Amino acid sequence: GENVEQHPSTLSVQEGDSAVIKCTYSDSASNYFPWYKQELGKRPQLIIDIRSNVGEKKDQRIAVTLNKTAKHFSLHITETQPEDSAVYFCAASLSGGSNYKLTFGKGTLLTVNP
Amino acid sequence: EADIYQTPRYLVIGTGKKITLECSQTMGHDKMYWYQQDPGMELHLIHYSYGVNSTEKGDLSSESTVSRIRTEHFPLTLESARPSHTSQYLCASSDLLTRKETQYFGPGTRLLVL
Repeated sequence: GENVEQHPSTLSVQEGDSAVIKCTYSDSASNYFPWYKQELGKRPQLIIDIRSNVGEKKDQRIAVTLNKTAKHFSLHITETQPEDSAVYFCAASLSGGSNYKLTFGKGTLLTVNP
Repeated sequence: EADIYQTPRYLVIGTGKKITLECSQTMGHDKMYWYQQDPGMELHLIHYSYGVNSTEKGDLSSESTVSRIRTEHFPLTLESARPSHTSQYLCASSDLLTRKETQYFGPGTRLLVL
């Protein structure tokens, strides 16, 4: 089955700096890669996703890049703000067929210091 | 408003009691999932369902059981609660027909077994 590794497990940055979280996956057939943000005491919420036919996707200060050959994808947050502090989870799945399970990474605790 | 609802939000119960955690969604989704998560930690899939009368065990072994008699309802039952069951339980759903891989999470139930 799919295995997703996520690094780092904790990340501390100064407000205004950029933050990068990296994930690797094992199943070359995986073609859907979402990122979830979970604030303290809240539910995980999708912030951005990318499919394997695209190399990069941006949404304001957030971007995700995908390298299918190397089987890794990354979340980039620019101009970080204190409200970006949360746990971020990457995930991978195979779109299509009957299996829609997401395999999650173990999460990255991002702290943005004012 | 289309959403996923979980009740109770918090539950403190004694060892040996039977409990049912409720999950309902008004999003019209056919796939539903249960995850176990210690605060801020990894998401562990314990059960999922493709639709009515379909249930599958997830990646993490669990002593709980689930049922799916109605599309919108996916309750999780613990026949005899133990302190090791203390955790947060998150319900999620996804849509087979459209954004089938994207999972939307409920607010969670925090369970404490004494």
